[in-house]
This record gives sequence, C-alpha cells and structure tokens, in this order.
Amino acid sequence: RKEVEQDPGPFNVPEGATVAFNCTYSNSASQSFFWYRQDCRKEPKLLMSVYSSGNEDGRFTAQLNRASQYISLLIRDSKLSDSATYLCVVERSSASKIIFGSGTRLSIRP
Amino acid sequence: GAGVSQSPSNKVTEKGKDVELRCDPISGHTALYWYRQSLGQGLEFLIYFQGNSAPDKSGLPSDRFSAERTGGSVSTLTIQRTQQEDSAVYLCASIQFPGQGLSSSYNEQFFGPGTRLTVL
Repeated sequence: RKEVEQDPGPFNVPEGATVAFNCTYSNSASQSFFWYRQDCRKEPKLLMSVYSSGNEDGRFTAQLNRASQYISLLIRDSKLSDSATYLCVVERSSASKIIFGSGTRLSIRP
Repeated sequence: GAGVSQSPSNKVTEKGKDVELRCDPISGHTALYWYRQSLGQGLEFLIYFQGNSAPDKSGLPSDRFSAERTGGSVSTLTIQRTQQEDSAVYLCASIQFPGQGLSSSYNEQFFGPGTRLTVL
C-alpha cells in the first residue's frame, strides 16, 4: 500500500461546478500537509497548505481529518484554468520524509 | 529573485552512457530534493540534502545513481550506465527551512523546471 494515496481520476466536470477530492495517508506521524498543482509538462507548485482547523483560499477549501487520516480539497465555481493535476503532499517531522501522492487529474469543460 | 534552475532542460542519450544533471537551488535554501517523474505518474523521491550531507538516500533506485551537493548550493545527480527505464523527468526542489513541523511558508518546496531524460 502506498503511504499517500489519491484517486487518479480523471475528474471531468463542467465549468462552474463544485468538485472535491480526497487523499489518504497511512502514517499517523505525518505532521504537515499540502496540496500542489501541476500543469501538463510543468513543475509542481504549491497551491495551499492544509491546517488542522481547515482553511480557505478564495474558491479553494482544504480540510484535514487526522482521525481518519485524510485530507480533502474542494474547488467551488470551477474555472477552465483549474484544469491540472492536484498532488497531495504529506510531510513527517523529519524533513526528508516528504511524500507526494500520484495526483488527481482534473479537467474542466466549457 | 531567481528560482530553482536545472540543466540541461532536455537530454537524449544512448543506453549505457553516463549522464549528469545539475540543479541550482534558490540562494539561501538549506534543503534540496531530487525526484523523478515518469509520464503520467506521481513524483518518486530519490534523495534529500540538508546542507551538503544526504541524510536520506533511500529513494535512489540502484547503485548506478549518485548525487552530491557542494557549498550548500549546486547539486548534481549522476546516472551511470543509463538504461531505458531511467527515462523520465528529473525534478529538483529546494526548501528554505524544512521540517518546521508546522504548515508554514518555510516548508514550501520550490521546484525547478526539470530535466527530461530520454535513454534510447
């Protein structure tokens, strides 16, 4: 079993829709959590950190559930420009243990 | 300021040749990471440097892979006797102050554009 697992998708949704996807992690020692976005043939870039209390950045909301060991990303009023692969990232207290999920592909159609 | 840079951007080589990939992290970033990404796949961790030392080499696929970092800055990833399965995009990332234990801007990984390696 992978330490960080994501549904690979693709999620294909119409513009304006709300879409959500989860990421599960297996190591309870995991301490920091992030969502990265990767456009086709580009490098990953930080989308947002995920805080224990949940956090929102514009149309994006991230949640952390430590008891069930998953994080989620919700995108409201999706735009064509949101089409990308979303990578779940989990870090343990040891700096070397930064684990990327395989990513969830999202495609927004007009 | 300048971001993470990698060179070459593309490398085509013949099976059995050695290749050397270079990463220039953001100035002042203490930690440097190498990943590789095969087509349509996620990022596979290779090695991590804190300063010039590599506390975690667990991701290196075989003894044909090695990496070093000098002066706490530039890093090179060397692949000896390349095989076709080595074909991938090799990504480098740096972090200012890793392992803070809290979600903070210090934990953000800044990635370079990658080196696309093709082994014929």
